Amino acid sequence: QKEVEQNSGPLSVPEGAIASLNCTYSDRVSQSFFWYRQYSGKSPELIMSIYSNGDKEDGRFTAQLNKASQYVSLLIRDSQPSDSATYLCAAARNSGNTPLVFGKGTRLSVIA
Amino acid sequence: SAVISQKPSRDICQRGTSLTIQCQVDSQVTMMFWYRQQPGQSLTLIATANQGSEATYESGFVIDKFPISRPNLTFSTLTVSNMSPEDSSIYLCSVELGEADTQYFGPGTRLTVL
Repeated sequence: QKEVEQNSGPLSVPEGAIASLNCTYSDRVSQSFFWYRQYSGKSPELIMSIYSNGDKEDGRFTAQLNKASQYVSLLIRDSQPSDSATYLCAAARNSGNTPLVFGKGTRLSVIA
Repeated sequence: SAVISQKPSRDICQRGTSLTIQCQVDSQVTMMFWYRQQPGQSLTLIATANQGSEATYESGFVIDKFPISRPNLTFSTLTVSNMSPEDSSIYLCSVELGEADTQYFGPGTRLTVL
């Protein structure tokens, strides 16, 4: 199993809907989890971090972590065309003091 | 977060030449990293730039091809040596800052090798 896995998409949702992005991870990464947004031609931008089980909300974004099932998700409420981007899931390895492991990213398209 | 800059932002180079990319941060950071992102792909870690010692390279990347310097806690360079068209990619530096394991990325350097 890869350390961090995402469905590459594309995921298409209508404007105003909830976009749900999912990520699963292996036993080798379980410390910290992050969601990055990357617009075409730009570098990744940190959206959310989550460290413990449950939900973490920031504006229209909610990150959900379920360590028992080894998945982390990102919900985007009231999706806007400007949310159209690739979303990268990342996790820290258990060994500590190492760089993040990134998934391949999910391309989201919000249709006006 | 921090302000991270990279130079150059883009370049077009000839096969067989070398390019040095600079990464500057506006605050001192312990951990700096270099990534490559090929067209349509996710991020691939090249190496961790260690201050005061040799960089730690990931499998598939070697110092002769990608020499890295880290003279202080705010600056690093990545050189892409003896370039071939396969090296055409976006090169990104990142730093670890703030909450545990949190990384922030520079704007990237878009390299095209002819």
